[in-house]
Amino acid sequence: GAGVSQSPSNKVTEKGKDVELRCDPISGHTALYWYRQSLGQGLEFLIYFQGNSAPDKSGLPSDRFSAERTGGSVSTLTIQRTQQEDSAVYLCASSFDGFEAFFGQGTRLTVV
Amino acid sequence: KQEVTQIPAALSVPEGENLVLNCSFTDSAIYNLQWFRQDPGKGLTSLLLIQSSQREQTSGRLNASLDKSSGRSTLYIAASQPGDSATYLCAVNNQAGTALIFGKGTTLSVSS
Repeated sequence: GAGVSQSPSNKVTEKGKDVELRCDPISGHTALYWYRQSLGQGLEFLIYFQGNSAPDKSGLPSDRFSAERTGGSVSTLTIQRTQQEDSAVYLCASSFDGFEAFFGQGTRLTVV
Repeated sequence: KQEVTQIPAALSVPEGENLVLNCSFTDSAIYNLQWFRQDPGKGLTSLLLIQSSQREQTSGRLNASLDKSSGRSTLYIAASQPGDSATYLCAVNNQAGTALIFGKGTTLSVSS
C-alpha cells in the first residue's frame, strides 16, 4: 500500500478483555516496529520484527502482550486481560532494512 | 544504553523566525538519525533521515545536521509558519535493524 495502515483507529474495551491491533506495513518493507505512546509521554518501544521473526522483544511490558507477523507483512499486537494502564496510542512503523521508518496513524486504545 | 534528549521541551515563536531544535544522544555509535513531526492526535511523519556517514540533509525549509562525535543533531527551520506548529521528535538507532530510540520531543508553536 501507499503507507502504513493500522486498524482499528480507535478501540474502547472493558478491563479484562483481550484486544488485537493490526498493522499493514508498506509493501516490501522488511522491518516492522511497534511503539506505545501514553498521554503526554514519549514513544516506548515494544517489539521489532525482521521478516517474520522478532529479534528484539525487549520492550514488551508484560507477558500479557504478544505480537506476530505473518508472510513478512501484516502484524498483529495482542493484549490479553487488558488493564487501564494499557490505555495509550499504539503506533506501528515499517522500514526497508533499517533505513527510513514510516509510521501509521496509530490505534487509540481506551480501557474502561 | 542509548538515551536521546531534546531541548527545549517547548518553544513559541512568531511567524517568520528562523529556529533551531536540538537533539543529543549518549552513544555516538549510531547507524542513522531521523527527525519526525507529530501533529496532535496523529501518527509520526518522517521529515529527514541522516545516515551516520552524512553531516546534513535538507528538505525545503528544513535542514538537519549531525555531529556524531559530540552526539548532537540540530533541526533548523527557516522562515517558520503557523503550519509548522507540531511536536518534533528525534530518533536514533545504533545498528541496522534495531529499534529507533526517541527523545521526548520539542513542541513548537508558531503564532501568526
